[in-house]
Amino acid sequence: EPEVTQTPSHQVTQMGQEVILRCVPISNHLYFYWYRQILGQKVEFLVSFYNNEISEKSEIFDDQFSVERPDGSNFTLKIRSTKLEDSAMYFCASSGLDRFYGYTFGSGTRLTVV
Amino acid sequence: RKEVEQDPGPFNVPEGATVAFNCTYSNSASQSFFWYRQDCRKEPKLLMSVYSSGNEDGRFTAQLNRASQYISLLIRDSKLSDSATYLCVVPDSGGSQGNLIFGKGTKLSVKP
Repeated sequence: EPEVTQTPSHQVTQMGQEVILRCVPISNHLYFYWYRQILGQKVEFLVSFYNNEISEKSEIFDDQFSVERPDGSNFTLKIRSTKLEDSAMYFCASSGLDRFYGYTFGSGTRLTVV
Repeated sequence: RKEVEQDPGPFNVPEGATVAFNCTYSNSASQSFFWYRQDCRKEPKLLMSVYSSGNEDGRFTAQLNRASQYISLLIRDSKLSDSATYLCVVPDSGGSQGNLIFGKGTKLSVKP
């Protein structure tokens, strides 16, 4: 079964440092997403990406965040200057032609900011 | 503000029991609805989609009441492996963008 792959599985970083979370979406999918889940809280939408540009972003996705699809396979989330409150599980997801067909989440990157 | 509300539980039930979870949503434009399952510290995984009044898949039945903006999930003959958090999920913007709004989830614990 096709998978969304995320690396690393766990990252610890110092406050103020930049981090890049990496994702390889399912190869024939067209829509890519980042979500986050703070421990004990609900999954929250960050950003969606289609046709090499951001299609929608939430209030959480401020100027500290950016996304990129640097090549045909990777989809990255960069946090420029991490804060303690950025500590969360970050999930990448991708979906097919009708946006909800085959919506699949990666196993997540646990980001810990110290 | 678009919200998805769920009873957080936990629901503690014996094996073989029938259990039902409820969910209400605020976005009346939504056309499709989903139940996801999330195991502890794992990613959400799609359990069922609900596009019309309901959907059944084995022991799992999802029902939709558009007038009341209410979705339910019924699990029959609970198994130990059903222990997880069940997330009610509704597309934002009526589905035009593909991003999802998650409820906080209902935790289910099935005991022997």
